Amino acid sequence: GAVVSQHPSRVICKSGTSVKIECRSLDFQATTMFWYRQFPKQSLMLMATSNEGSKATYEQGVEKDKFLINHASLTLSTLTVTSAHPEDSSFYICSARGNWNIATKEKLFFGSGTQLSVL
Amino acid sequence: GQQLNQSPQSMFIQEGEDVSMNCTSSSIFNTWLWYKQEPGEGPVLLIALYKAGELTSNGRLTAQFGITRKDSFLNISASIPSDVGIYFCAGVGGSEKLVFGKGTKLTVNP
Repeated sequence: GAVVSQHPSRVICKSGTSVKIECRSLDFQATTMFWYRQFPKQSLMLMATSNEGSKATYEQGVEKDKFLINHASLTLSTLTVTSAHPEDSSFYICSARGNWNIATKEKLFFGSGTQLSVL
Repeated sequence: GQQLNQSPQSMFIQEGEDVSMNCTSSSIFNTWLWYKQEPGEGPVLLIALYKAGELTSNGRLTAQFGITRKDSFLNISASIPSDVGIYFCAGVGGSEKLVFGKGTKLTVNP
């Protein structure tokens, strides 16, 4: 099946610093990638939709200046948490949609997630 | 917005028992997906359903896309300890965004 690689898997940073998370589709081209946030024992909450070559679309209540998304190529999207604060601590998960053949159409493949802890 | 009601919220079963969980919605979905998530990991796709009425199996797992397109169920037969985890249903509607249920936490006692 399609593979989505997410790095780093865990990051601890000081309050006020910025953190970049990478999401790569390894064996398919993803024109659309999604970024989710998950709190403990909660479901996944969509933060933004990342489209290759254009601006990301953010969900209501998500600060676009806080969570910078760049989808510069068909295989890479990055999420940068700027000026991180303790309340930004969470599990961040990326996903990519494969449209390159009927076997992957409409399926959403997820990265392994990034646990961010802001001190 | 579109919402999914997933039940049960949690299940505690004995090894070998069958499991059933479902998702319902007031909205119509074009695709239903079932995922399993283990602690500290991203969700892993188990089964994808594309047509109303579709019944699909993946090993001991079986899922169906409801005829009304507003519901789906997942069955696990003869559960084993490694089935433990949180199972999420997810639907794709007209907006093409994935909407997740709140998850079913499965515990299997050996």
